[in-house]
Amino acid sequence: DAKTTQPPSMDCAEGRAANLPCNHSTISGNEYVYWYRQIHSQGPQYIIHGLKNNETNEMASLIITEDRKSSTLILPHATLRDTAVYYCIVRGYNTDKLIFGTGTRLQVFP
Amino acid sequence: NAGVMQNPRHLVRRRGQEARLRCSPMKGHSHVYWYRQLPEEGLKFMVYLQKENIIDESGMPKERFSAEFPKEGPSILRIQQVVRGDSAAYFCASSSGQPALNEKLFFGSGTQLSVL
Repeated sequence: DAKTTQPPSMDCAEGRAANLPCNHSTISGNEYVYWYRQIHSQGPQYIIHGLKNNETNEMASLIITEDRKSSTLILPHATLRDTAVYYCIVRGYNTDKLIFGTGTRLQVFP
Repeated sequence: NAGVMQNPRHLVRRRGQEARLRCSPMKGHSHVYWYRQLPEEGLKFMVYLQKENIIDESGMPKERFSAEFPKEGPSILRIQQVVRGDSAAYFCASSSGQPALNEKLFFGSGTQLSVL
């Protein structure tokens, strides 16, 4: 599975958009980009995933560059409850197994 | 529709004792993954099991750790002769085992193991 690189920490004001970047320059054509988050030692929570196209759901949007070497997770209106560690993971086509990196610790402040 | 259930939520053991952690996957899921998270670190993959089969144990320590997922009942992660370094949060995840369908892993709330 391709390696991902994320900034260790970010801050965001409540109500503003949080944009979390992820670099995955060695991603191969059939690998997906998944995002999970972990709120204060709880079990990781699925957010969103994509292959090539941009994706949006009720939680977030995922923007994947055309060359697929990087992506951005967007939380459109961050709340204090979005404070968590966010993990960007590249997952192979034929496996459910996820390999977690160190993630980005997002702090949302009032 | 219960999610992934792990118990106990907290487990305290003295050095040398055995720890047994249980995981019941989501209904309809037949694949289970175990992860370990040391304090202030990310989740580390340990083992991937299907009913009655170990598929991938590349992350399991070579000694004292074992895992099973019997035909009936929950998956069990067993740690023999625990040491202080085993103190961690242990998370279980499950899936239906159909990755080509863009399956997601669903995680339990974890078991916090403390070794005195």
